[in-house]
Amino acid sequence: DTGVSQNPRHKITKRGQNVTFRCDPISEHNRLYWYRQTLGQGPEFLTYFQNEAQLEKSRLLSDRFSAERPKGSFSTLEIQRTEQGDSAMYLCASSLRDTGPSYNEQFFGPGTRLTVL
Amino acid sequence: AQSVTQLDSHVSVSEGTPVLLRCNYSSSYSPSLFWYVQHPNKGLQLLLKYTSAATLVKGINGFEAEFKKSETSFHLTKPSAHMSDAAEYFCVVSPRSYNTDKLIFGTGTRLQVFP
Repeated sequence: DTGVSQNPRHKITKRGQNVTFRCDPISEHNRLYWYRQTLGQGPEFLTYFQNEAQLEKSRLLSDRFSAERPKGSFSTLEIQRTEQGDSAMYLCASSLRDTGPSYNEQFFGPGTRLTVL
Repeated sequence: AQSVTQLDSHVSVSEGTPVLLRCNYSSSYSPSLFWYVQHPNKGLQLLLKYTSAATLVKGINGFEAEFKKSETSFHLTKPSAHMSDAAEYFCVVSPRSYNTDKLIFGTGTRLQVFP
């Protein structure tokens, strides 16, 4: 399967603990995005990378959140000192920076569902 | 600023009847518009996209959407619903700007299909 993969698929943690999620994009894609989806809502943009550079961060991304893409391939999203309000589905997507017909076609992974107790 | 409004949170149709999911957008730029579908416990899948070429866009599984600038609408239609179409549908806008191509999602429309 050459799609976007995310690990783990589910994570249950206690409030105050740190968690880290991993995203592996489609191999030739140079852009990688993180979104968060809460129950009954559409996904909300968190941040994105072009290669290893983090080009934009949402105001939703508080200081407790950090994302990296060290070699321009996989990415990690870490949440420190988790709070119950962090419970959500965390989605990763990737795309190929392109001005042609494939412009901004983002392919999504299955997501990591985080539950903070 | 860019945003989308999905006018119906739930739509119910009978199998074999037409589907209409409504979406209005707001954008300062000439936007890209998309429809994504999310089946339970599955990832988001792109149905179709508008990127300033033809205003009538055909997608997968028989869906299509028409971009109407005068009405700022991008409604999704299908002539005949199938049971497998039951899912959550998201209308999405993205500014056609060099500096960002983040997707801005609507709140979703849940489509139910009855036999």
